[in-house]
Amino acid sequence: DTGVSQNPRHKITKRGQNVTFRCDPISEHNRLYWYRQTLGQGPEFLTYFQNEAQLEKSRLLSDRFSAERPKGSFSTLEIQRTEQGDSAMYLCASRSGARETQYFGPGTRLLVL
Amino acid sequence: DAKTTQPPSMDCAEGRAANLPCNHSTISGNEYVYWYRQIHSQGPQYIIHGLKNNETNEMASLIITEDRKSSTLILPHATLRDTAVYYCIVNTNAGKSTFGDGTTLTVKP
Repeated sequence: DTGVSQNPRHKITKRGQNVTFRCDPISEHNRLYWYRQTLGQGPEFLTYFQNEAQLEKSRLLSDRFSAERPKGSFSTLEIQRTEQGDSAMYLCASRSGARETQYFGPGTRLLVL
Repeated sequence: DAKTTQPPSMDCAEGRAANLPCNHSTISGNEYVYWYRQIHSQGPQYIIHGLKNNETNEMASLIITEDRKSSTLILPHATLRDTAVYYCIVNTNAGKSTFGDGTTLTVKP
């Protein structure tokens, strides 16, 4: 068990480009969460999955954002037509059940120029 | 999810106990109190959680008041490596965590 992993760790892109991030949860964790964190703020919830089903999405998740977890294992978060305001740390977390501890990955830091 | 209130910053001398308070006056009966910490540029690290009773693990102790409206995280012998932002979170375990801005703890030599 190597914990939650995220790739890439850092991404620099130009405004208007599309980016995709990947999260590999702890094996057999059926719940997977995405958060966004800007400098000096706590993480903000974006969306979460139970197995392959996306059960909740935040109002922060605009139409340019899409997340998938096709086989109930890894997940991807795509941002289309990136804007400078999308610059943030994107965190992934997983847990094995509704009443279990949530574990976070190291995050992907996005910079949109 | 219940909202939490934490002081924005605290200092602690190395080797002394660090006591980090959290208010969660709107907590519901089935909501757990979780503590995480985040060291610069890393993901949040789980520390401890509890429902009603006080809890202790190898990292810290958690003291929850009898009315469950507040709690205190105790780091018994703070080291320089404990300098981080500490988040107190209350949720039902069913879904997302609602983070505030946390307490920045600075451990000084």
